[in-house]
Amino acid sequence: SQQGEEDPQALSIQEGENATMNCSYKTSINNLQWYRQNSGRGLVHLILIRSNEREKHSGRLRVTLDTSKKSSSLLITASRAADTASYFCGEGGSRLTFGEGTQLTVNP
Amino acid sequence: DVKVTQSSRYLVKRTGEKVFLECVQDMDHENMFWYRQDPGLGLRLIYFSYDVKMKEKGDIPEGYSVSREKKERFSLILESASTNQTSMYLCASSGDYNEQFFGPGTRLTVL
Repeated sequence: SQQGEEDPQALSIQEGENATMNCSYKTSINNLQWYRQNSGRGLVHLILIRSNEREKHSGRLRVTLDTSKKSSSLLITASRAADTASYFCGEGGSRLTFGEGTQLTVNP
Repeated sequence: DVKVTQSSRYLVKRTGEKVFLECVQDMDHENMFWYRQDPGLGLRLIYFSYDVKMKEKGDIPEGYSVSREKKERFSLILESASTNQTSMYLCASSGDYNEQFFGPGTRLTVL
């Protein structure tokens, strides 16, 4: 089955810095989605980028997609302590496959 | 807002017990999913359903079954719970645009 893999596994930054997380996948996709999970809770959808899109913005989030490299990146600008969470990419259509996530820690 | 609820946040069961995990969504979504999440393994799809009374195996269906008698409800059943089924179980639903909405999760411990 398809497999999204996030990189790095863990990232620790200071408040105000930007955080970049990457996702790689193995097969063709319809769309790629990014989710956030606070400790011990369910995932929350952040943003969806379709296969014919190269970049998308939502507030402090910027997502890029490079289908030739089968990769996507999530940039969080001007990070806040409240951004501390795990971030997952999910690839597919109605059925998603998730990676293990990137644990982001934003230090005040 | 879409709301997905799960019957329990924490559950402790004994080996061999039959366990029911219930999930209810209130947005008339066609698709519903059950995942388990374990450290180092990420989210893995157990079963999903595209419609009432329809079910499809995910990546790790062994030891589990599901039931979808009504559109809004998707149940995960552990026929005979084992210790290796101790995990966080997450339910999700999605509609036409494939964005998945997750419940808060059930942390199941099997002793």
